[in-house]
Amino acid sequence: SSELTQDPAVSVALGQTVRITCQGDSLRSYYASWYQQKPGQAPVLVIYGKDDRPSGIPDRFSGSSSGNTASLTITGAQAEDEADYYCHSRDISGNPLYVFGTGTKVTVL
Amino acid sequence: EVQLVESGGGLVQPGGSLRLSCAASGFTFSSYAMHWVRQAPGKGLEWVSSISTSGGSTYYADSVKGRFTISRDNSKNTLYLQVNSLRAEDTAVYYCAKDLLEWNYGMDVWGQGTTVTVSS
Repeated sequence: SSELTQDPAVSVALGQTVRITCQGDSLRSYYASWYQQKPGQAPVLVIYGKDDRPSGIPDRFSGSSSGNTASLTITGAQAEDEADYYCHSRDISGNPLYVFGTGTKVTVL
Repeated sequence: EVQLVESGGGLVQPGGSLRLSCAASGFTFSSYAMHWVRQAPGKGLEWVSSISTSGGSTYYADSVKGRFTISRDNSKNTLYLQVNSLRAEDTAVYYCAKDLLEWNYGMDVWGQGTTVTVSS
């Protein structure tokens, strides 16, 4: 099975830009989706596909991909963006069907 | 409003069983694949199982294969997860989630989760 590796933690100053990366072989074949999870809450999809946002997700969230690396960028981070972020994709082997990244804790300073 | 509501969690002894349910509303349930994802205390997200729209195709993580069974009742707009032979490492919040599109674009609606605690 594949793995998706993320940096455990990143910090960003209020209003600045932060990029969260996700590395894994499956990303050469499948799009990553990105989820935001705040303490005690269910995950929320923030980016899917090439760079699409579900309704209600602010446009400061964007996605990109190159080779085996997918990235989530928050441009002009807000205090409410402080959360854990997980990437996710199909597994390249097909078993397991899906794989989640290890997660990145984003702290807004 | 699109909504998923899980139920059925609880405290169970090792080796025990539970049936988790996920009631869907606000969308055409039968048109979407569905998923179960769990999160152990203080840990990350782990995909558990998925099921196709008709229920004819099911998929499991190796960690639960042979012990968990996913199913759905499209007439009741409800997703299920039968969890048997529970182990301490199955302790987690179990979320059901709706597939966004064609299995490849993520999960766009999540329930609030139901907690399973396996302990003697």
